[in-house]
Amino acid sequence: GAVVSQHPSWVICKSGTSVKIECRSLDFQATTMFWYRQFPKQSLMLMATSNEGSKATYEQGVEKDKFLINHASLTLSTLTVTSAHPEDSSFYICSGHRGREETQYFGPGTRLLVL
Amino acid sequence: AQSVTQLGSHVSVSEGALVLLRCNYSSSVPPYLFWYVQYPNQGLQLLLKYTTGATLVKGINGFEAEFKKSETSFHLTKPSAHMSDAAEYFCAVSGYNQGGKLIFGQGTELSVKP
Repeated sequence: GAVVSQHPSWVICKSGTSVKIECRSLDFQATTMFWYRQFPKQSLMLMATSNEGSKATYEQGVEKDKFLINHASLTLSTLTVTSAHPEDSSFYICSGHRGREETQYFGPGTRLLVL
Repeated sequence: AQSVTQLGSHVSVSEGALVLLRCNYSSSVPPYLFWYVQYPNQGLQLLLKYTTGATLVKGINGFEAEFKKSETSFHLTKPSAHMSDAAEYFCAVSGYNQGGKLIFGQGTELSVKP
């Protein structure tokens, strides 16, 4: 149990376009979902925390107008990278948290390449 | 405040040798401690966790870790390395009433030589 999926697994887009990444908890209800960014050979950097039905909480230095997060239901959160630029190219990973336990369950990640 | 330090960004062992990946933490609340593994171009998979109770925790794939409060450590071990263990390993800390938020270490890349 506790499976999280992400779609798409990889995406290539032109500079200036917007890209939406979906994160779904397949067999549990995620009261909280987290979005991370990971650069090559580096650790995960927390971007934001989203709770179902409320606004996301962004970490310091993360532009909320650039990275739009919507947590529409207990099984779906989306991250939209608006007006993407090459520096937004990265590996984006989401995770779901059940609230009554301590563990985060991670999705497989989405690799974004902005040309 | 919480933080995690993983000693050694890269560890190399021979197949069949002991694996030891070091993790030290700091936490102002009783910690919850985790080890995750990441294979190339994939997400993170939970290896094991400590929340309360027994300080020696056994996980998947033959890994185990021991919570040592006096040393603020949570080192990951495996008696005999397999080639398939080659991956990136992350130690992370959370705590009660932290809303599940994790603080990650820098990661340790494990290489296994035949």
